[in-house]
Amino acid sequence: GENVEQHPSTLSVQEGDSAVIKCTYSDSASNYFPWYKQELGKRPQLIIDIRSNVGEKKDQRIAVTLNKTAKHFSLHITETQPEDSAVYFCAASRLDMRFGAGTRLTVKP
Amino acid sequence: DGGITQSPKYLFRKEGQNVTLSCEQNLNHDAMYWYRQDPGQGLRLIYYSQIVNDFQKGDIAEGYSVSREKKESFPLTVTSAQKNPTAFYLCASSPGQGGTEAFFGQGTRLTVV
Repeated sequence: GENVEQHPSTLSVQEGDSAVIKCTYSDSASNYFPWYKQELGKRPQLIIDIRSNVGEKKDQRIAVTLNKTAKHFSLHITETQPEDSAVYFCAASRLDMRFGAGTRLTVKP
Repeated sequence: DGGITQSPKYLFRKEGQNVTLSCEQNLNHDAMYWYRQDPGQGLRLIYYSQIVNDFQKGDIAEGYSVSREKKESFPLTVTSAQKNPTAFYLCASSPGQGGTEAFFGQGTRLTVV
Protein backbone atom coordinates (compact mmCIF):
# COMPACT_ATOMS: atom_id res chain seq x y z
CA GLY A 1 0.00 0.00 0.00
CA GLU A 2 0.87 3.68 -0.10
CA ASN A 3 3.55 4.94 2.29
CA VAL A 4 3.74 8.65 3.10
CA GLU A 5 6.71 10.13 4.91
CA GLN A 6 6.66 13.65 6.34
CA HIS A 7 9.45 15.91 7.59
CA PRO A 8 10.22 17.58 9.88
CA SER A 9 8.26 16.23 12.85
CA THR A 10 8.56 19.57 14.65
CA LEU A 11 9.19 23.05 13.30
CA SER A 12 9.56 26.29 15.20
CA VAL A 13 9.66 29.66 13.43
CA GLN A 14 9.43 33.32 14.34
CA GLU A 15 6.28 35.19 13.45
CA GLY A 16 6.57 36.53 9.93
CA ASP A 17 9.02 33.87 8.77
CA SER A 18 8.20 31.15 6.25
CA ALA A 19 7.62 27.47 7.08
CA VAL A 20 8.12 24.52 4.74
CA ILE A 21 6.96 20.96 5.33
CA LYS A 22 7.93 18.16 2.96
CA CYS A 23 6.34 14.81 2.15
CA THR A 24 7.20 11.86 -0.06
CA TYR A 25 4.91 9.10 -1.26
CA SER A 26 5.52 5.65 -2.70
CA ASP A 27 2.56 4.82 -4.95
CA SER A 28 2.93 6.48 -8.35
CA ALA A 29 -0.81 5.90 -8.93
CA SER A 30 -1.77 8.36 -6.15
CA ASN A 31 -3.51 11.32 -7.76
CA TYR A 32 -4.65 13.60 -4.94
CA PHE A 33 -2.54 15.24 -2.26
CA PRO A 34 -4.31 17.16 0.50
CA TRP A 35 -2.89 19.00 3.49
CA TYR A 36 -4.77 19.10 6.79
CA LYS A 37 -4.38 21.31 9.86
CA GLN A 38 -5.29 19.94 13.27
CA GLU A 39 -5.54 22.26 16.24
CA LEU A 40 -5.38 20.86 19.75
CA GLY A 41 -8.47 18.83 20.58
CA LYS A 42 -10.08 19.43 17.18
CA ARG A 43 -10.65 17.43 14.04
CA PRO A 44 -8.30 17.74 11.04
CA GLN A 45 -9.44 20.31 8.49
CA LEU A 46 -8.36 20.67 4.89
CA ILE A 47 -6.28 23.77 4.18
CA ILE A 48 -5.14 23.13 0.62
CA ASP A 49 -4.93 20.28 -1.87
CA ILE A 50 -3.37 19.52 -5.23
CA ARG A 51 -4.06 16.97 -7.94
CA SER A 52 -1.50 15.03 -9.90
CA ASN A 53 -2.02 17.04 -13.09
CA VAL A 54 -1.00 20.30 -11.37
CA GLY A 55 2.49 21.32 -10.27
CA GLU A 56 1.68 24.17 -7.92
CA LYS A 57 -1.30 25.73 -6.19
CA LYS A 58 -1.51 28.84 -4.04
CA ASP A 59 -4.15 30.19 -1.66
CA GLN A 60 -3.17 33.47 0.00
CA ARG A 61 -0.27 32.66 2.38
CA ILE A 62 -0.34 28.93 1.68
CA ALA A 63 1.09 27.11 -1.33
CA VAL A 64 1.67 23.50 -2.27
CA THR A 65 4.07 22.14 -4.86
CA LEU A 66 4.10 18.66 -6.37
CA ASN A 67 6.93 16.85 -8.14
CA LYS A 68 5.40 13.67 -9.60
CA THR A 69 8.70 12.39 -10.96
CA ALA A 70 10.38 12.52 -7.57
CA LYS A 71 7.14 11.64 -5.76
CA HIS A 72 7.32 14.48 -3.30
CA PHE A 73 5.16 17.45 -2.41
CA SER A 74 5.61 20.37 -0.06
CA LEU A 75 3.57 22.86 1.93
CA HIS A 76 4.78 26.44 2.11
CA ILE A 77 3.38 28.94 4.59
CA THR A 78 4.58 32.53 4.25
CA GLU A 79 4.30 35.39 6.76
CA THR A 80 3.50 32.95 9.55
CA GLN A 81 1.23 34.05 12.40
CA PRO A 82 0.76 32.59 15.91
CA GLU A 83 -2.61 31.18 14.84
CA ASP A 84 -0.78 29.00 12.30
CA SER A 85 0.54 26.97 15.26
CA ALA A 86 -0.94 23.47 14.93
CA VAL A 87 -0.14 19.99 13.67
CA TYR A 88 -0.09 19.68 9.88
CA PHE A 89 -0.62 16.42 8.00
CA CYS A 90 0.03 15.58 4.39
CA ALA A 91 -1.79 12.75 2.66
CA ALA A 92 -1.76 10.84 -0.60
CA SER A 93 -4.86 9.35 -2.12
CA ARG A 94 -5.89 7.02 -4.88
CA LEU A 95 -8.81 4.87 -3.72
CA ASP A 96 -7.94 5.27 -0.05
CA MET A 97 -6.17 8.09 1.81
CA ARG A 98 -2.96 7.65 3.79
CA PHE A 99 -1.37 10.28 5.97
CA GLY A 100 2.09 11.30 7.01
CA ALA A 101 3.07 11.30 10.69
CA GLY A 102 2.47 15.03 11.08
CA THR A 103 4.49 18.18 11.73
CA ARG A 104 3.99 20.22 14.86
CA LEU A 105 4.45 23.85 13.83
CA THR A 106 5.04 26.47 16.49
CA VAL A 107 5.04 30.15 15.52
CA LYS A 108 6.67 32.31 18.18
CA PRO A 109 5.33 35.87 18.51
CA ASP B 1 -27.15 20.41 9.77
CA GLY B 2 -24.99 18.35 7.44
CA GLY B 3 -21.87 16.62 8.61
CA ILE B 4 -20.21 13.56 10.01
CA THR B 5 -20.93 12.57 13.59
CA GLN B 6 -19.02 10.27 15.88
CA SER B 7 -20.34 9.12 19.19
CA PRO B 8 -19.56 9.05 21.98
CA LYS B 9 -16.78 11.61 22.39
CA TYR B 10 -15.24 9.69 25.30
CA LEU B 11 -15.56 5.96 25.92
CA PHE B 12 -14.24 3.81 28.72
CA ARG B 13 -14.17 0.02 28.63
CA LYS B 14 -12.69 -2.79 30.62
CA GLU B 15 -9.96 -4.90 29.12
CA GLY B 16 -11.33 -7.92 27.25
CA GLN B 17 -14.60 -6.29 26.22
CA ASN B 18 -15.54 -5.52 22.64
CA VAL B 19 -16.68 -1.95 21.99
CA THR B 20 -18.35 -0.36 18.96
CA LEU B 21 -17.69 3.22 17.86
CA SER B 22 -20.41 4.94 15.88
CA CYS B 23 -19.89 7.01 12.72
CA GLU B 24 -22.80 8.55 10.82
CA GLN B 25 -22.78 10.99 7.89
CA ASN B 26 -25.57 12.80 6.10
CA LEU B 27 -23.39 14.19 3.32
CA ASN B 28 -24.41 11.47 0.85
CA HIS B 29 -20.76 10.45 0.59
CA ASP B 30 -19.82 7.12 -0.95
CA ALA B 31 -16.49 6.61 0.80
CA MET B 32 -15.88 6.31 4.54
CA TYR B 33 -12.71 5.74 6.54
CA TRP B 34 -11.54 4.90 10.03
CA TYR B 35 -8.23 6.16 11.40
CA ARG B 36 -6.40 5.70 14.64
CA GLN B 37 -4.36 8.61 16.01
CA ASP B 38 -1.60 8.08 18.54
CA PRO B 39 0.85 10.80 19.64
CA GLY B 40 3.66 11.22 17.12
CA GLN B 41 2.26 8.63 14.70
CA GLY B 42 -0.16 10.60 12.63
CA LEU B 43 -3.34 9.07 11.28
CA ARG B 44 -3.12 5.38 10.56
CA LEU B 45 -5.75 3.80 8.32
CA ILE B 46 -7.72 0.96 9.92
CA TYR B 47 -10.46 0.25 7.35
CA TYR B 48 -12.09 2.04 4.47
CA SER B 49 -15.22 1.55 2.44
CA GLN B 50 -15.90 2.90 -1.04
CA ILE B 51 -19.44 1.61 -1.35
CA VAL B 52 -22.20 -0.05 0.66
CA ASN B 53 -21.55 -3.69 1.58
CA ASP B 54 -17.87 -3.44 0.68
CA PHE B 55 -14.83 -2.49 2.74
CA GLN B 56 -11.06 -2.95 2.64
CA LYS B 57 -8.39 -3.38 5.29
CA GLY B 58 -6.00 -0.55 5.91
CA ASP B 59 -2.57 -0.72 7.49
CA ILE B 60 -3.61 -1.69 11.04
CA ALA B 61 -6.82 -3.73 10.67
CA GLU B 62 -5.87 -6.50 13.12
CA GLY B 63 -8.17 -6.51 16.15
CA TYR B 64 -10.79 -4.33 14.45
CA SER B 65 -13.93 -5.05 12.44
CA VAL B 66 -16.35 -2.88 10.47
CA SER B 67 -19.62 -3.10 8.58
CA ARG B 68 -21.19 -0.94 5.88
CA GLU B 69 -24.82 -1.97 5.67
CA LYS B 70 -26.03 1.59 5.00
CA LYS B 71 -24.44 4.42 3.06
CA GLU B 72 -24.70 6.75 6.06
CA SER B 73 -23.15 4.46 8.66
CA PHE B 74 -19.72 2.86 9.15
CA PRO B 75 -19.38 1.50 12.72
CA LEU B 76 -16.03 0.28 14.01
CA THR B 77 -15.77 -2.53 16.55
CA VAL B 78 -12.63 -2.71 18.65
CA THR B 79 -12.33 -6.34 19.68
CA SER B 80 -10.54 -7.92 22.61
CA ALA B 81 -7.90 -9.10 20.13
CA GLN B 82 -6.61 -5.52 19.72
CA LYS B 83 -3.50 -5.46 21.91
CA ASN B 84 -3.40 -1.74 22.63
CA PRO B 85 -6.84 -0.25 21.97
CA THR B 86 -6.51 2.97 23.97
CA ALA B 87 -6.32 5.73 21.34
CA PHE B 88 -8.13 8.53 19.57
CA TYR B 89 -10.29 7.25 16.70
CA LEU B 90 -11.31 9.43 13.76
CA CYS B 91 -13.91 8.65 11.15
CA ALA B 92 -13.97 10.44 7.80
CA SER B 93 -16.02 10.47 4.63
CA SER B 94 -15.48 11.70 1.09
CA PRO B 95 -17.73 12.08 -1.95
CA GLY B 96 -15.90 9.85 -4.36
CA GLN B 97 -13.76 6.76 -4.51
CA GLY B 98 -10.48 8.52 -3.83
CA GLY B 99 -9.17 11.78 -5.13
CA THR B 100 -11.49 14.02 -3.12
CA GLU B 101 -11.46 15.89 0.18
CA ALA B 102 -12.13 13.83 3.30
CA PHE B 103 -14.28 15.36 6.03
CA PHE B 104 -13.62 14.25 9.59
CA GLY B 105 -15.83 13.62 12.58
CA GLN B 106 -14.87 15.07 15.95
CA GLY B 107 -13.34 11.78 17.07
CA THR B 108 -13.83 9.29 19.89
CA ARG B 109 -11.25 8.90 22.62
CA LEU B 110 -11.30 5.29 23.78
CA THR B 111 -9.70 4.34 27.06
CA VAL B 112 -9.43 0.68 28.02
CA VAL B 113 -8.68 -0.01 31.67
